[in-house]
Amino acid sequence: RKEVEQDPGPFNVPEGATVAFNCTYSNSASQSFFWYRQDCRKEPKLLMSVYSSGNEDGRFTAQLNRASQYISLLIRDSKLSDSATYLCVVGGSSASKIIFGSGTRLSIRP
Amino acid sequence: EAQVTQNPRYLITVTGKKLTVTCSQNMNHEYMSWYRQDPGLGLRQIYYSMNVEVTDKGDVPEGYKVSRKEKRNFPLILESPSPNQTSLYFCASRGFLMNTEAFFGQGTRLTVV
Repeated sequence: RKEVEQDPGPFNVPEGATVAFNCTYSNSASQSFFWYRQDCRKEPKLLMSVYSSGNEDGRFTAQLNRASQYISLLIRDSKLSDSATYLCVVGGSSASKIIFGSGTRLSIRP
Repeated sequence: EAQVTQNPRYLITVTGKKLTVTCSQNMNHEYMSWYRQDPGLGLRQIYYSMNVEVTDKGDVPEGYKVSRKEKRNFPLILESPSPNQTSLYFCASRGFLMNTEAFFGQGTRLTVV
């Protein structure tokens, strides 16, 4: 079993739709959680950190469920510019180990 | 501007010809790492470094070497490249605290023929 698992997609949704991704992790001792966005052939960039209480940044909401060991990302009112691959990232007890999921590809159509 | 700089961006080489991909960061980060990204496999860590002269293997270190003589630089060395090392490579740096953001270089697309 992979340490961090994501549905690879692709998710193909119309502009304005709400879309949600989940990501599961296997190490219950994981301490830090992030969502990164990666555009085609470019470097990943931080979208948002995920906090225990959940957090929101504009149209994006991230949630953490420690009991079930998953994190989620919700995108509301999706835009064409949201088309990208979304990487789930889970960190251990130190900076030395952060593990990336394989990514979920999202495509927003007009 | 905070940045991680990798060079070259694109490289085509032949099997067995030693090459080095450079990585430099200007954020005084302690932690640097190298990843390779292949379709369906995501980002896999090759090597990482916690500080100057401290390096360790990641998940896929075979065929690679690194060094960390200065805090800002973390070159990736392929002593004898092989076609299975054809991939997209990313260097990343981050601060030492757990919840800090990782900054990535723009990537190096390597083809070994």
